[in-house]
Amino acid sequence: KAGVTQTPRYLIKTRGQQVTLSCSPISGHRSVSWYQQTPGQGLQFLFEYFSETQRNKGNFPGRFSGRQFSNSRSEMNVSTLELGDSALYLCASSFLPDFYGYTFGSGTRLTVV
Amino acid sequence: KQEVTQIPAALSVPEGENLVLNCSFTDSAIYNLQWFRQDPGKGLTSLLLIQSSQREQTSGRLNASLDKSSGRSTLYIAASQPGDSATYLCAVRNSGGSNYKLTFGKGTLLTVNP
Repeated sequence: KAGVTQTPRYLIKTRGQQVTLSCSPISGHRSVSWYQQTPGQGLQFLFEYFSETQRNKGNFPGRFSGRQFSNSRSEMNVSTLELGDSALYLCASSFLPDFYGYTFGSGTRLTVV
Repeated sequence: KQEVTQIPAALSVPEGENLVLNCSFTDSAIYNLQWFRQDPGKGLTSLLLIQSSQREQTSGRLNASLDKSSGRSTLYIAASQPGDSATYLCAVRNSGGSNYKLTFGKGTLLTVNP
């Protein structure tokens, strides 16, 4: 059974550019969440989607956005990149968060130069 | 606002030792608590999930307990091995409303020496 797949694994972008990250959840999982991990702040919640609807949003600026498609795949977009956006971006999926918890992908390492 | 604290921040033990990692949270109104491990530069691997109505969960050499009223959870690792070296993270999901986010602690970096 395939796990949560995130692409690309690594990205290098220049300040001011925008970036799109992709996440394919485990088959049958309809809840997809995104987290940012940095050495200073640890893991911070970005947003959660279920059946193409955003149910929760973390405390991040509007430059961070996401969406979910009808096949449950999700993308997150960061516009006008800043140096501080350099981080490991992790995606997690769940069949039923109330009962089964979350399974994480390997992440996308974004470096902004 | 939920805050999760993990103590100690780092721990180094000889192989074979039994050890305990601690996690505390400020808001006891949680739905569940999940323990993860993270190897350097990698994603998170789920270890154990404890629902708020449960007191403990076991998987192999791992045992996690939950005391919701006091806001504490412990992860017990028996007979530690070098392969257990990783960062261990606990995360809670608050109950109430449409709350589908996990709040993480900063983790405990475990080193098991051969």
